[in-house]
Amino acid sequence: KAGVTQTPRYLIKTRGQQVTLSCSPISGHRSVSWYQQTPGQGLQFLFEYFSETQRNKGNFPGRFSGRQFSNSRSEMNVSTLELGDSALYLCASSFSGAYPTDTQYFGPGTRLTVL
Amino acid sequence: GENVEQHPSTLSVQEGDSAVIKCTYSDSASNYFPWYKQELGKGPQLIIDIRSNVGEKKDQRIAVTLNKTAKHFSLHITETQPEDSAVYFCAASSYGGSQGNLIFGKGTKLSVKP
Repeated sequence: KAGVTQTPRYLIKTRGQQVTLSCSPISGHRSVSWYQQTPGQGLQFLFEYFSETQRNKGNFPGRFSGRQFSNSRSEMNVSTLELGDSALYLCASSFSGAYPTDTQYFGPGTRLTVL
Repeated sequence: GENVEQHPSTLSVQEGDSAVIKCTYSDSASNYFPWYKQELGKGPQLIIDIRSNVGEKKDQRIAVTLNKTAKHFSLHITETQPEDSAVYFCAASSYGGSQGNLIFGKGTKLSVKP
């Protein structure tokens, strides 16, 4: 079956703009998590959605938000972009989000560059 | 909160040699320790995990060991092959929760020279 897909794969924005990233989970998966990956901070958890509800949130400012649709597809939005938001944004899906019984599958990520 | 330290940050070995990556964690309540492999241009992929009631787990050429007293766990790759070249991440958390409790190490870039 198809894996986790993320669009777009690459994105260039300027400071102050906003951006929306999209994630389509594996068919049947209802949990979608978002991570930010940077060389300095590594992989950091942003938030998790399950059945259209945000179930967990990491330690990121309110400029980072997300949502999940009834078909489990998810979007994340970053408003008022800053240079430090340049990163690889990874989406991961699992059946219920209850690890370790659930394996989390990652997408290839969206590389965001803020100029 | 939980903090995970991972060493080394880079590791270069000859094909056929063994590679060891070590992680330490701070929260004694952590009881789930997965390892991920990330290849260039791809997302992380779970390769093996261990729970605190187990001291060692093997899967073909990959093994993970856990020392709860010392709060450290290690990934061992034997008979390394060029396709093992990737960035490896360890993580720790208290299972029973959701994905948000997973704390990652900073990663180890493994290079296997043919």
